[in-house]
Amino acid sequence: GENVEQHPSTLSVQEGDSAVIKCTYSDSASNYFPWYKQELGKGPQLIIDIRSNVGEKKDQRIAVTLNKTAKHFSLHITETQPEDSAVYFCAANGAGNKLTFGGGTRVLVKP
Amino acid sequence: DTAVSQTPKYLVTQMGNDKSIKCEQNLGHDTMYWYKQDSKKFLKIMFSYNNKELIINETVPNRFSPKSPDKAHLNLHINSLELGDSAVYFCASSQERRTEAFFGQGTRLTVV
Repeated sequence: GENVEQHPSTLSVQEGDSAVIKCTYSDSASNYFPWYKQELGKGPQLIIDIRSNVGEKKDQRIAVTLNKTAKHFSLHITETQPEDSAVYFCAANGAGNKLTFGGGTRVLVKP
Repeated sequence: DTAVSQTPKYLVTQMGNDKSIKCEQNLGHDTMYWYKQDSKKFLKIMFSYNNKELIINETVPNRFSPKSPDKAHLNLHINSLELGDSAVYFCASSQERRTEAFFGQGTRLTVV
């Protein structure tokens, strides 16, 4: 089945700096790669996603890149703000369109 | 007008008890899921239903039984609760299985 690995597990950045989270996946048939943000005490919330027919997608301060050949994708957050502090998850749809999640990255933005 | 709602939000119970968690979505989606999040925040799918039909059943003890009375509801019943069942359980829904999943707020289950 699909295996998704996510790095780093924790990330501390200064407010205003950029944050980058990287994920790799194993199933070359995967074609949908969402990113979720989970705040304390809440459920994961979709923040951006990318499909395999594009290599990059941007939405204001967040962007995702996808390299299908290398089977990795990344989340970039620019001009980080304290409210960006949360746990971020990448995911990939494996067999049966089942979402497999990475292990999560705890991001702390220091003011 | 919460999109995906779960009840209860917190559940504390003794080992050996049977408990249920309810989930409802008002998004008109036809696919619903149960995920388990352990203490290390790892999210793993347990079940998926599409139009009330079970389509994904991961390696979950048969003490866990999902029930979908209609497209908008997917409940999770757990028999003979064990300490290791303590986790946060999330319900989610999507339109078909190819699009983004929307998650509920989670149910924190603590077995003592």
